[in-house]
Amino acid sequence: AQKVTQAQTEISVVEKEDVTLDCVYETRDTTYYLFWYKQPPSGELVFLIRRNSFDEQNEISGRYSWNFQKSTSSFNFTITASQVVDSAVYFCALSEFNGSNDYKLSFGAGTTVTVRA
Amino acid sequence: DTGVSQDPRHKITKRGQNVTFRCDPISEHNRLYWYRQTLGQGPEFLTYFQNEAQLEKSRLLSDRFSAERPKGSFSTLEIQHTEQGDSAMYLCASSPTGTYGLDTQYFGPGTRLTVL
Repeated sequence: AQKVTQAQTEISVVEKEDVTLDCVYETRDTTYYLFWYKQPPSGELVFLIRRNSFDEQNEISGRYSWNFQKSTSSFNFTITASQVVDSAVYFCALSEFNGSNDYKLSFGAGTTVTVRA
Repeated sequence: DTGVSQDPRHKITKRGQNVTFRCDPISEHNRLYWYRQTLGQGPEFLTYFQNEAQLEKSRLLSDRFSAERPKGSFSTLEIQHTEQGDSAMYLCASSPTGTYGLDTQYFGPGTRLTVL
């Protein structure tokens, strides 16, 4: 069963527009971590943010912000004032901690973001 | 602090040949992971090491695949008798051991394998 669903396959925006990426996850654990990674055309996955299941406080880090809602199992990610360099594939990932399963990430299929100048 | 490195970055081989990839984790990271990523998909977990011990292998890792981390530092992933279905990006990641047994995984640039 798919644990992480990213319903948006592609998003195209004009520079300076905001971009919100949706992520819905599925887990039975009470302790888990959620991540967003960015994969530019070069191929390397770049860590962006991490959130644990006990902290639903939403934060802003530079142009990135996230909205974590346990009630709807969603972990959405927003890029404010997008730039061409933000063009990449963005992956949401889940790591569950049940004492024996805390070591691997379950990734969504990714959302391709294209920012046009 | 250098990041995770992988070698080679690209590998083209003929079906039936053996290939070996290398991953050098961030120094002092005792956890090392291998993932496989096919076109248009997210990475899928293959296997995981804590120091030199291989603690888990995914069902995706057939008998033709073997991974080692002999001294708890670098790791190798070998695929024997390659098949066209093995064509993918092979990603390596490393992490320290966090408070709850989890910490952020940092990924290398990957090795793209093409099997002709």
